[in-house]
Amino acid sequence: DIVMTQGALPNPVPSGESVSITCRSSKSLLYSDGKTYLNWYLQRPGQSPQLLIYWMSTRASGVSDRFSGSGSGTDFTLKISGVEAEDVGVYYCQQGLEFPLTFGSGTKLEIK
Amino acid sequence: QVQLKESGPGLVQPSETLSLTCTVSGFSLTSYSVSWVRQPSGKGPEWMGRMWYDGDTAYNSALKSRLSISRDTSKNQVFLKMNSLQTDDTGTYYCTRDAYYFDYWGQGVMVTVSS
Repeated sequence: DIVMTQGALPNPVPSGESVSITCRSSKSLLYSDGKTYLNWYLQRPGQSPQLLIYWMSTRASGVSDRFSGSGSGTDFTLKISGVEAEDVGVYYCQQGLEFPLTFGSGTKLEIK
Repeated sequence: QVQLKESGPGLVQPSETLSLTCTVSGFSLTSYSVSWVRQPSGKGPEWMGRMWYDGDTAYNSALKSRLSISRDTSKNQVFLKMNSLQTDDTGTYYCTRDAYYFDYWGQGVMVTVSS
């Protein structure tokens, strides 16, 4: 199975500051079609996860442009430019390259 | 608009079978795949399996011996059945629209395995 490893944040983060959340996969997620099958989700407290970024860098419909995704085949970053109160929650990366699809253990964001 | 809604019992006895239904609207099950994802309290999500748009299925190998996913396209429903439940199967179960990323999620159903 592909193992997804996420980094931690120095919580709490001051409102307005920019943060980067890291994720590493145990295998390259770059496929022969040119897409990198890495997705990002935010799970706010008490809610279902919501899609933020898919194919490593494509923002999902309705997602603020404060969120951006980047990376290589195995190392990925979700950047939040100017965190706001509504960004609080747990962020998960997930690989969509091969079965079983797997998630990282999550990165918690708290706002000061 | 796209919606998914899970339904099923909130409490299951150990060793019994869990049966859940996902009812979808706003899209066709013959155009999009649907996955089941579960999440123990306080932990990360775990992908369980996928019902492909063409009717094929894929399962997490860790659950494959206990898990079955099926559908009824006329009712816009996808079903999950998992047998031999144990206490570590307790958690929230979600169905999601699966376009190689999970772009829509249901609200989830909390399932507790306890006698």
